[in-house]
Amino acid sequence: AQSVTQLDSQVPVFEEAPVELRCNYSSSVSVYLFWYVQYPNQGLQLLLKYLSGSTLVESINGFEAEFNKSQTSFHLRKPSVHISDTAEYFCAVIPGGSYIPTFGRGTSLIVHP
Amino acid sequence: EAQVTQNPRYLITVTGKKLTVTCSQNMNHEYMSWYRQDPGLGLRQIYYSMNVEVTDKGDVPEGYKVSRKEKRNFPLILESPSPNQTSLYFCASMGGSGRSSYNEQFFGPGTRLTVL
Repeated sequence: AQSVTQLDSQVPVFEEAPVELRCNYSSSVSVYLFWYVQYPNQGLQLLLKYLSGSTLVESINGFEAEFNKSQTSFHLRKPSVHISDTAEYFCAVIPGGSYIPTFGRGTSLIVHP
Repeated sequence: EAQVTQNPRYLITVTGKKLTVTCSQNMNHEYMSWYRQDPGLGLRQIYYSMNVEVTDKGDVPEGYKVSRKEKRNFPLILESPSPNQTSLYFCASMGGSGRSSYNEQFFGPGTRLTVL
């Protein structure tokens, strides 16, 4: 069985400040890792993923995440946030070869002007 | 435009009255799934389907049914809804093959269900 822990339920930051949303997981098998973003009153959108290869993955809107196998972490970072980044962010893992994800409880990123 | 559609978006019903939430995707994806989202719990998978006529239970299947008679449609059925099924429901599809299937993931806009 897998579990995902998002350590912060809410992260308030000021615009243009850097941010890190933390995600730790536990699993007895290899997993793929994902971050999703959910804007108010919308469905989830895939933000970025780690399947293999380089442990640092990037999204088109400036977010990046680094897979750290030894610490079983997949933290999401952005060097300078915008008001429009205000949303709920979910970390998830899927065991290799499976299609059953385990989601974290979500982190609400609140960007203040 | 690639999309997953759900209907209805909002539904208020009473205990025991059967209901169906429809889900449709236009990307010819083989994999589809249903989730419920509850405050503080994140998303939990209800059922998933790997292809037509192939469905399987997720983490919280009790009280729900699904069917997959066509590739594009994956309705969620609540035969006898109860108040603990009040939640926000999302349908999703995933495509590609092998590892690349994880590259194409789309979620519907959600259905907010209230069972009185």
